[in-house]
Amino acid sequence: GAGVSQSPSNKVTEKGKDVELRCDPISGHTALYWYRQSLGQGLEFLIYFQGNSAPDKSGLPSDRFSAERTGGSVSTLTIQRTQQEDSAVYLCASSLEVGGEAFFGQGTRLTVV
Amino acid sequence: AQSVTQPDIHITVSEGASLELRCNYSYGATPYLFWYVQSPGQGLQLLLKYFSGDTLVQGIKGFEAEFKRSQSSFNLRKPSVHWSDAAEYFCAVGAVGSNYQLIWGAGTKLIIKP
Repeated sequence: GAGVSQSPSNKVTEKGKDVELRCDPISGHTALYWYRQSLGQGLEFLIYFQGNSAPDKSGLPSDRFSAERTGGSVSTLTIQRTQQEDSAVYLCASSLEVGGEAFFGQGTRLTVV
Repeated sequence: AQSVTQPDIHITVSEGASLELRCNYSYGATPYLFWYVQSPGQGLQLLLKYFSGDTLVQGIKGFEAEFKRSQSSFNLRKPSVHWSDAAEYFCAVGAVGSNYQLIWGAGTKLIIKP
């Protein structure tokens, strides 16, 4: 596609439920990042994928968070047993290669009630 | 350790005044440098980038930034700000061709006084 696409744009879920957030990167981009941005805060790195290499999961805040990238393209971020502190905007970005210019999606605003 | 520092959390300037946002980095390779802007309720948009060559780079919306290797800095400037420049600005450092991912500063929130 022309840009990075994220879905849903907004998600309201009940505490304890699982959620899946989707990211469609720009075609041909080998690097894909997930970030979390809480209200008024900066970017919190979660995970990144680079080609076929093992992902860097060092930013995932707990084992309730996981992500996968199928076929080197679409990525899904899964949050299990959501907590209120998980409420934030989840941003996905892709770049032609790691360390290069990142192109961001519009984000998914997650609200846990 | 690799890091990016944006020392100013908030900056307030009057409309029409000049602007400089600071960015300092510590990086273990020749850096690629970026400034992004995030307007309220919007996604992040690239303002400008430095890869090599002329150390003064021009970006969109009248912004420019200067790479100073000796000071490990990449400060963002604009000669005359407009109210529409009110946003949060993020500096990032990367190194294409290495395994280093982008490292982000914490952001500087720009407030414009009428």
